[in-house]
Amino acid sequence: AQTVTQSQPEMSVQEAETVTLSCTYDTSENNYYLFWYKQPPSRQMILVIRQEAYKQQNATENRFSVNFQKAAKSFSLKISDSQLGDTAMYFCAFMTARPDYKLSFGAGTTVTVRA
Amino acid sequence: DAGVTQSPTHLIKTRGQQVTLRCSPKSGHDTVSWYQQALGQGPQFIFQYYEEEERQRGNFPDRFSGHQFPNYSSELNVNALLLGDSALYLCASSSGTGMTGELFFGEGSRLTVL
Repeated sequence: AQTVTQSQPEMSVQEAETVTLSCTYDTSENNYYLFWYKQPPSRQMILVIRQEAYKQQNATENRFSVNFQKAAKSFSLKISDSQLGDTAMYFCAFMTARPDYKLSFGAGTTVTVRA
Repeated sequence: DAGVTQSPTHLIKTRGQQVTLRCSPKSGHDTVSWYQQALGQGPQFIFQYYEEEERQRGNFPDRFSGHQFPNYSSELNVNALLLGDSALYLCASSSGTGMTGELFFGEGSRLTVL
């Protein structure tokens, strides 16, 4: 079974600044997907960014980028130029590479962007 | 294009009762997964339906059961409700032939068991 660990329950950042969320995972598989999902208060969960384990290049999506360290089993998310709309719960998640569409989630990190 | 829709959005039940939650997947998707999200926690996988059959199941008791209909919509049933079943229940859809791994989530059904 895969486990996903997010060690930061809460993070606070000033608007326009940068914040980095950490995530580690444990798996014996060599090929897999890693995701960051965003869940705003009382709103649905949406995909922020996706990384395929066989790709060495770190994924980027506009202001969101990841630092994927496969050997260390680490997958951090950097939010640059933080905006008030980034306030949300962020979940790191793992999926096998078949893909089987079964996500294993971390406990989440609550990000608050201050004006 | 309608996304994933779930009903009801909120409901309150008492211990021992039964509940049915409903989900319509995103247009073009044929696979539906259900997750339980306790307050302040990450979602936990309950089960997944594809071609009207349960394809995968997480570590949940048999009190949790489901169904998928020919139009790909799905139901989650929970019998003999316990206080610990209080949670947000999320439905997620995907394409069985897709290779992106991306799931699309509904807004969830918040169940309170008193």
